[in-house]
Amino acid sequence: ETGVTQSPTHLIKTRGQQVTLRCSSQSGHNTVSWYQQALGQGPQFIFQYYREEENGRGNFPPRFSGLQFPNYSSELNVNALELDDSALYLCASSLAGVVAEQFFGPGTRLTVL
Amino acid sequence: GESVGLHLPTLSVQEGDNSIINCAYSNSASDYFIWYKQESGKGPQFIIDIRSNMDKRQGQRVTVLLNKTVKHLSLQIAATQPGDSAVYFCAAPGGSQGNLIFGKGTKLSVKP
Repeated sequence: ETGVTQSPTHLIKTRGQQVTLRCSSQSGHNTVSWYQQALGQGPQFIFQYYREEENGRGNFPPRFSGLQFPNYSSELNVNALELDDSALYLCASSLAGVVAEQFFGPGTRLTVL
Repeated sequence: GESVGLHLPTLSVQEGDNSIINCAYSNSASDYFIWYKQESGKGPQFIIDIRSNMDKRQGQRVTVLLNKTVKHLSLQIAATQPGDSAVYFCAAPGGSQGNLIFGKGTKLSVKP
């Protein structure tokens, strides 16, 4: 059984650029959630994907978007990067409806200069 | 909506002592609560959860207590070890599908 993996590990972008982060869910999990974790804070929910569709979203602007693929892996896209987007981006996978058992990946550290 | 908050941002304990990390929540309708451990450079790791119809749940060296009257829960770690050094978060379901609301976290440091 493989755990949740994310790529890349670290990323540096400049303001205004676009970024794509990738996540492979744990074997057998069909739901992927994305979280943003600013330094010294708890993770904040961005959105969740199930059956290749967004089925829940937190308080993030539309420039944060995502995809889920038939193999349940997922991408997080952020357009028009802002300095405040610098954070650790976490992906969590779970089975549909089992929110309590979300397994997190190691995260992607994004720095926006 | 739900909000969760931890009482202390940092906690320092001696190796072998017991640790108690506290958390308050706002939504009495939350069905369950979860404790996560996050080590430096890693994602949050599930420790233990507790359903709202329970007062206490025990795991390996950890116990979670839930006091619904005052909307408070705590994580107790017995015989704290250096490997327990991490940031601990309590979390509860939010309003959106798949949403977990996290507190800010308590950083636990274990002195040898």
